[in-house]
Amino acid sequence: AQSVAQPEDQVNVAEGNPLTVKCTYSVSGNPYLFWYVQYPNRGLQFLLKYITGDNLVKGSYGFEAEFNKSQTSFHLKKPSALVSDSALYFCAVRDSKAGGFKTIFGAGTRLFVKA
Amino acid sequence: NAGVTQTPKFQVLKTGQSMTLQCAQDMNHEYMSWYRQDPGMGLRLIHYSVGAGITDQGEVPNGYNVSRSTTEDFPLRLLSAAPSQTSVYFCASTRDRGQDGYTFGSGTRLTVV
Repeated sequence: AQSVAQPEDQVNVAEGNPLTVKCTYSVSGNPYLFWYVQYPNRGLQFLLKYITGDNLVKGSYGFEAEFNKSQTSFHLKKPSALVSDSALYFCAVRDSKAGGFKTIFGAGTRLFVKA
Repeated sequence: NAGVTQTPKFQVLKTGQSMTLQCAQDMNHEYMSWYRQDPGMGLRLIHYSVGAGITDQGEVPNGYNVSRSTTEDFPLRLLSAAPSQTSVYFCASTRDRGQDGYTFGSGTRLTVV
């Protein structure tokens, strides 16, 4: 069965500093990996995805993520954090071997960016 | 282009009542899912559908029914509401089986008293 772990409930970073939000996954086949962001009292918005190819993928709002197959990780990164990046971030995985559609989410990581 | 529309936005039910959460999308997406969001637990998959007439169970299907009679609509039915079903419910859709991200609705906040 597929699963996702986000080991940090909360990440605090100062504005202008780099940020990393961690995600590890478990699937039986090749993973399709996603990051979503949720701003207060809003639905989720798609940020970026990894399907195949280059291990570093770029997405919306200056975010990027690095796929590491040996460590089964897909960490979200941004070189310089903004206060407006403060939100709840979710990692999600689909298992290509299992038909590729059933999508499982992690518990979420709350990011606080301090001015 | 409305995207994914969920109704109602808020609902209070008494224990034992039934209701249907509506979800409609106008993007001709084949794949749709229902999730519930609870603090500290992230999003948990309730049911999903890979096309009209085809549905399957997710991680937490008990107490919920779904049907998919058209591509556009994917309603979620609570058969007999329980306080444990107090949650925020999100409907999501995607065009491609594996490789596209979801488009989410704005959610329904349900309280069962």
